[in-house]
Amino acid sequence: EVQLVESGGGLVQPGGSLRLSCAASGFIFSSHRMHWVRLAPGKGLEYVAAITTNGDSTYYAGSVEGRFSISRDNSRSTLYLQMGSLRVEDTAVYYCARETQWGCGGDYWGQGTQVTVSS
Amino acid sequence: DVVLTQSPLSLPVTLGQPASISCRSNQNLLYSDGNTYVNWFQQRPGQSPRRLIYRVFNRDSGVPDRFSGSGSGTDFTLKISRVEAEDVGVYYCMQGTHWPPNTFGQGTKLEIK
Repeated sequence: EVQLVESGGGLVQPGGSLRLSCAASGFIFSSHRMHWVRLAPGKGLEYVAAITTNGDSTYYAGSVEGRFSISRDNSRSTLYLQMGSLRVEDTAVYYCARETQWGCGGDYWGQGTQVTVSS
Repeated sequence: DVVLTQSPLSLPVTLGQPASISCRSNQNLLYSDGNTYVNWFQQRPGQSPRRLIYRVFNRDSGVPDRFSGSGSGTDFTLKISRVEAEDVGVYYCMQGTHWPPNTFGQGTKLEIK
């Protein structure tokens, strides 16, 4: 059974940092491009970042570029999102998603982890 | 970036009646390989997003056949032939043609009248 389990969310002050993890199981992690997507209160889904299968290419939404870093450890089947210089507007539920077919978005999603940026 | 505009943003529907959601793009979403990478997602209250339709009209495994997708170029539609109570939630179109980045529409909230 495919499973994606996010962790690492919490309450952090503006300007702070947080690292999210997404533990994958039930499939060959290294064969899939992976994404982070977030849902902020009262807003719609927003693409955050993506990483290719071997990690050699990464992509970011303009709103997080330069502050967030996506990475993966294929030996541990784990996806990461290092978040820095956090802003109040980064408050959201963060989901990791597996992409199987190019361009088709996530076919499996985790349950999400809540990140709250507040003083 | 590609902008996807969904309408309506709020969709009250009577149980058993059909529903339709439009998704319009400011760029043609036909890719050079001949595919159109438009996908539809459902997010029920308190749940993670779930993909319903990929590449315009392909239903994901386990998705009821009352859901269907259609369209081409810049105009796309998700239809529900007969709305059921479990269909309540927010629906998003997403494009993967002009990647990066993937982009989502604003979302359409479906509720039961």
